[in-house]
Amino acid sequence: DQQVKQNSPSLSVQEGRISILNCDYTNSMFDYFLWYKKYPAEGPTFLISISSIKDKNEDGRFTVFLNKSAKHLSLHIVPSQPGDSAVYFCAAIAPGVGSSNTGKLIFGQGTTLQVKP
Amino acid sequence: DTGVSQDPRHKITKRGQNVTFRCDPISEHNRLYWYRQTLGQGPEFLTYFQNEAQLEKSRLLSDRFSAERPKGSFSTLEIQRTEQGDSAMYLCASSVGSNQPQHFGDGTRLSIL
Repeated sequence: DQQVKQNSPSLSVQEGRISILNCDYTNSMFDYFLWYKKYPAEGPTFLISISSIKDKNEDGRFTVFLNKSAKHLSLHIVPSQPGDSAVYFCAAIAPGVGSSNTGKLIFGQGTTLQVKP
Repeated sequence: DTGVSQDPRHKITKRGQNVTFRCDPISEHNRLYWYRQTLGQGPEFLTYFQNEAQLEKSRLLSDRFSAERPKGSFSTLEIQRTEQGDSAMYLCASSVGSNQPQHFGDGTRLSIL
C-alpha cells in the first residue's frame, strides 16, 4: 500500500513562475514530513521539512504547506529557476511503536519538475 | 567533503554472485539507513542502525541480504546469490536523530547480468 502518494509524475513550468508540487498521505499518525530534490546520478538532497504542529514552513524560495485534515501537503517554489529542474520526492517519517521512532522515511513516487528558460 | 560516501558507485555482476556495498556516514551521525530505489519509484526502506545495533529490517530484506555496522561508523550491505530483481540503486543515509533530516549518499547502482 502506498502511504505517500505523488499523483503527478511530471510538471513543466516557465522560469520565474510558481511551481506547485503536491503530495497526499493516508496515515494520520504521520507527524513529520520532508521534501527532497534529486538530480540524475546523485542521491536525494534535503530541501525543507514541516512538523504536523505547523501548517507552513518557509525557507527562501521554498515553502511547504500542510493540510492535516485533508492529509495533503504541497511544495511551492517561487520564482522557479532552470536549476530547479529535478525529481522532487515527498517523504514522511514512519511512526514508531510505543516511544520508539526509527525515523525511517516513507517516500512518494516522485514528481519530475522541468523549468523552461 | 564530509557528506555521506558510498562505494562503489556502480557494480555490474552476474546472477548468482555475491556483492558488498560500503557506506560511510557523516561522522557525528549515530543513525544509518539503507534504502533501495528502482526506476520510477521513490526510495524504499531496507534497514536501520542506531550506532552498531541493527534495530529494524524491512520485509523487503530477504535472507540473502545482510547488513552490518560493526563499530557504529561505516556500514556494509551484502547481497548473496544475486537475482535479476536485485538490480536497483542502493542508497545510504545518515542522521543525528529520528526527527532530523536524513542526508543521502549518491548511491550504488547494481546491475545484474
